[in-house]
Amino acid sequence: GAGVSQSPSNKVTEKGKDVELRCDPISGHTALYWYRQSLGQGLEFLIYFQGNSAPDKSGLPSDRFSAERTGGSVSTLTIQRTQQEDSAVYLCASSLDGGQPYGYTFGSGTRLTVV
Amino acid sequence: GNSVTQMEGPVTLSEEAFLTINCTYTATGYPSLFWYVQYPGEGLQLLLKATKADDKGSNKGFEATYRKETTSFHLEKGSVQVSDSAVYFCALSATGGGNKLTFGTGTQLKVEL
Repeated sequence: GAGVSQSPSNKVTEKGKDVELRCDPISGHTALYWYRQSLGQGLEFLIYFQGNSAPDKSGLPSDRFSAERTGGSVSTLTIQRTQQEDSAVYLCASSLDGGQPYGYTFGSGTRLTVV
Repeated sequence: GNSVTQMEGPVTLSEEAFLTINCTYTATGYPSLFWYVQYPGEGLQLLLKATKADDKGSNKGFEATYRKETTSFHLEKGSVQVSDSAVYFCALSATGGGNKLTFGTGTQLKVEL
């Protein structure tokens, strides 16, 4: 597609429920990133996919968080047993090549609210 | 580890004023440096970048120079407009980091008439 597409744009869920967030990167972009933006804080790196390589999961805050990228394209971020501290805007970004400093193209994000 | 430090906001300026948003970094090797902008209600957009020392990135009247000696990448604009009101994020991509970006906490800019 023309840009990075994320869905849903807003999600309200009850504490303890599981949620899935979807990211559709720009066609041809081999690198895909997930970040979290909490109120009053910067962007926190979560996970990075580059081609067929094993993902860099070093930013995932707990084992309740997981992500996959199917067929080198669409990615899903799953949060199990959501907690109130998970409330944030989850941003997905893609870039042409993870090995070069092209900079990212970000999606508009999914605003997650855990009540 | 890698880190980026930005001046805290909000920064409030009158239209046509000169803007500086300070950014300093800590990183191993020779990182690439970026400024991203987030306009109200929109996603982050790449504003400018510099990939080596003494490079100057520029876009939309904004510019920033990669200063290795002071580990800085300050954002400047000579004459701001109301439409520049946004949150500005400084970021770095470390050598060998797989293009993974480390962001500052962001600086909110408000430009008033």
